[in-house]
Amino acid sequence: DAKTTQPPSMDCAEGRAANLPCNHSTISGNEYVYWYRQIHSQGPQYIIHGLKNNETNEMASLIITEDRKSSTLILPHATLRDTAVYYCIVRVAGNTGKLIFGQGTTLQVKP
Amino acid sequence: DAGVIQSPRHEVTEMGQEVTLRCKPISGHNSLFWYRQTMMRGLELLIYFNNNVPIDDSGMPEDRFSAKMPNASFSTLKIQPSEPRDSAVYFCASSWGGTGRNEKLFFGSGTQLSVL
Repeated sequence: DAKTTQPPSMDCAEGRAANLPCNHSTISGNEYVYWYRQIHSQGPQYIIHGLKNNETNEMASLIITEDRKSSTLILPHATLRDTAVYYCIVRVAGNTGKLIFGQGTTLQVKP
Repeated sequence: DAGVIQSPRHEVTEMGQEVTLRCKPISGHNSLFWYRQTMMRGLELLIYFNNNVPIDDSGMPEDRFSAKMPNASFSTLKIQPSEPRDSAVYFCASSWGGTGRNEKLFFGSGTQLSVL
């Protein structure tokens, strides 16, 4: 699975959009981009995933560049409850679902 | 659905004792994963099962660790004997996997293990 690079930490003002970047320059054509987050002392939580098209769900939007070498997770209106570690993971979809977590980005939403 | 259920929530034991962590995956899921999280090493995948069969145990740190999945609704992670460096939060996760499916992993609340 391709390696990802994320900034270690970011701040965001409450109510503003949080844009979390992820670089995955060695991504293969059959690898998907997944985002999970981990709120303090809880298990990681799935947010969104995509292959090459932009995706949106009730939690967030995922923007993937045309060359697929980077992506951005967007939380449109961040709240204090969005303070968490956000993990960007790339992997091939398959019948095992193995996920390897990196260090992620610690997002601090401030009032 | 109750989600992935782990027990105990907290475990405090003394060095040398046997520790057994338990996990009940979400009903209908066919893949199960054990992760360990520490400040130093982050989230590490220890082992995962597919259809109750261990697929990859390369993350298991040493022979003191063993995991079993006797049926689709139960798994255990055992540490014998335990050591202080095993202190961590242990997470269990499950998913429904199938060829070409984009599996979402659902995590339990974790077991906080402290070995004194």
